[in-house]
Amino acid sequence: NAGVTQTPKFQVLKTGQSMTLQCAQDMNHEYMSWYRQDPGMGLRLIHYSVGAGITDQGEVPNGYNVSRSTTEDFPLRLLSAAPSQTSVYFCASSPRQGALGDTEAFFGQGTRLTVV
Amino acid sequence: AQKVTQAQTEISVVEKEDVTLDCVYETRDTTYYLFWYKQPPSGELVFLIRRNSFDEQNEISGRYSWNFQKSTSSFNFTITASQVVDSAVYFCALSEVATNKLIFGTGTLLAVQP
Repeated sequence: NAGVTQTPKFQVLKTGQSMTLQCAQDMNHEYMSWYRQDPGMGLRLIHYSVGAGITDQGEVPNGYNVSRSTTEDFPLRLLSAAPSQTSVYFCASSPRQGALGDTEAFFGQGTRLTVV
Repeated sequence: AQKVTQAQTEISVVEKEDVTLDCVYETRDTTYYLFWYKQPPSGELVFLIRRNSFDEQNEISGRYSWNFQKSTSSFNFTITASQVVDSAVYFCALSEVATNKLIFGTGTLLAVQP
């Protein structure tokens, strides 16, 4: 069982370049989300999705796009990379948050992105 | 608004000491979940515990225990007889059923010295 798979693990971009961080889960989870982790700021929610075809903004959505065409995949797109987007990015998935029972989020291994 | 506050940025203890990590949350929802995650130096996020808003019973798992008090909106985490392997960043998180968003605190870096 692979769980949540993020690719790539490391990436260096030049300012202005675009790229897509991939996230896939094989647990048939409805809920998926993207976070960025910066020193002293914890994990901040970028975008999230409660199911295929449905996405919504989190705390820090500017400069990022997402789509959810399938239950399994939730890619994060950086449209025009900026040094302020240098961070570690985590993708997470979980069963529907509204259900009592197992609702903990499972996280990918993270992507360390540097924008120069 | 949904918010999680971990006021302790860093804590340093000597091995075998007990340590409590504080977590205070804010929510308007009556149905919500609280979580603790551990992030060791290797960087992955490890789930430790989940509590729903209807269950204030404290929980103990080995050297770990959690104290949930709705009256003070707190969900504190205690490690008894700390070990070097407990050194990590610990995150408290809140999920509201109404918004479907999982929000994290800023984390507490725990350093356990031998």
